[in-house]
Amino acid sequence: GESVGLHLPTLSVQEGDNSIINCAYSNSASDYFIWYKQESGKGPQFIIDIRSNMDKRQGQRVTVLLNKTVKHLSLQIAATQPGDSAVYFCAENGGSYIPTFGRGTSLIVHP
Amino acid sequence: GAVVSQHPSWVICKSGTSVKIECRSLDFQATTMFWYRQFPKQSLMLMATSNEGSKATYEQGVEKDKFLINHASLTLSTLTVTSAHPEDSSFYICSANDRVFDGYTFGSGTRLTVV
Repeated sequence: GESVGLHLPTLSVQEGDNSIINCAYSNSASDYFIWYKQESGKGPQFIIDIRSNMDKRQGQRVTVLLNKTVKHLSLQIAATQPGDSAVYFCAENGGSYIPTFGRGTSLIVHP
Repeated sequence: GAVVSQHPSWVICKSGTSVKIECRSLDFQATTMFWYRQFPKQSLMLMATSNEGSKATYEQGVEKDKFLINHASLTLSTLTVTSAHPEDSSFYICSANDRVFDGYTFGSGTRLTVV
């Protein structure tokens, strides 16, 4: 079946560095993608989203890039801070209105 | 923005008892809510889709008689874990879609521990 996956389970960075979290998706019908941040013991928080008619979208310190050719999604966090430490999930809801979550990447920011 | 409130945030219960978890959309109406289960260091697994005024749609492998879902109003969905066993211990999370916001808003989750 279709799935959303993440390349790296853990990413360690130094405070102040830029972080890049990657996500591969396989559902070619996907037209809406969302990045979520989940801190320990809490529910996922919306970070940023992007539709398939765009290839880049910027928010505050975050940028999402979408490459539909290779079905790849990335989340870039500029000047990573300790408060950014969390698990990051990408989700897609192409073909249905229900978001399907990838495995998650744990971002660890070292001070 | 859209806010989803989930209660309780944690609960400990004895084996064989039932536990009810509430999910409320505070500032928007949600005809559809979703219930997820998450085990430690794993992703969110969709359990069921809660539909206001009708039966919930359960994912394959999820026992509908064990995980009772009620969505009686546009702002409240409840998940009842019946005859809970230790293997039901998990983190349960609900979400709802605010059509204006477009993205999915999640509750803060409920940590269920069955002893």
